[in-house]
Amino acid sequence: GAGVSQSPSNKVTEKGKDVELRCDPISGHTALYWYRQSLGQGLEFLIYFQGNSAPDKSGLPSDRFSAERTGGSVSTLTIQRTQQEDSAVYLCASSPGGGNTIYFGEGSWLTVV
Amino acid sequence: GQQLNQSPQSMFIQEGEDVSMNCTSSSIFNTWLWYKQEPGEGPVLLIALYKAGELTSNGRLTAQFGITRKDSFLNISASIPSDVGIYFCAGQRDFGNEKLTFGTGTRLTIIP
Repeated sequence: GAGVSQSPSNKVTEKGKDVELRCDPISGHTALYWYRQSLGQGLEFLIYFQGNSAPDKSGLPSDRFSAERTGGSVSTLTIQRTQQEDSAVYLCASSPGGGNTIYFGEGSWLTVV
Repeated sequence: GQQLNQSPQSMFIQEGEDVSMNCTSSSIFNTWLWYKQEPGEGPVLLIALYKAGELTSNGRLTAQFGITRKDSFLNISASIPSDVGIYFCAGQRDFGNEKLTFGTGTRLTIIP
């Protein structure tokens, strides 16, 4: 597609359940990022992929959070045993790399009840 | 995680007024970016700055990359209703580690 595509756009889940969030970056973009934005807050870095490897996963808040990227394209962010504090918008972004512009998707709104 | 200090946190201005917001950091960034986010949307890039001292315009928007590489400002001239949203600055340290560090955001509200 023309832009970064994320799914689901909205997800309500019960505390303790696992969730998977998907990101389809812009075709040909080698770099992919996950950020989290809590209500009314700024963007918190989670993890960065260059190709299929993650040179920087320093922002993952706990071992309940993991992410993978396959084929240098689609990425999945998994949150295990969700907690209420995980409720946020999870934003994916991609870029061609080499210091070029980073483009964001519309986000996946996660609500843990 | 680290966030840049952005001010003001919120602004209430009248249509037609100019707007100014800024972003500061305790450490150096080699690229500064300004994004705008509207409700239910992801951030959209407004201006990118790649060189210390650089002043760049995009229509009614003007942004500058501070000479110390630790700050940046964004000006919006003659504001219009569609300027409403949250504006974020973002810094990028180097090409080897391309993650962006974001500011805390400035929420702009325009009074008709």
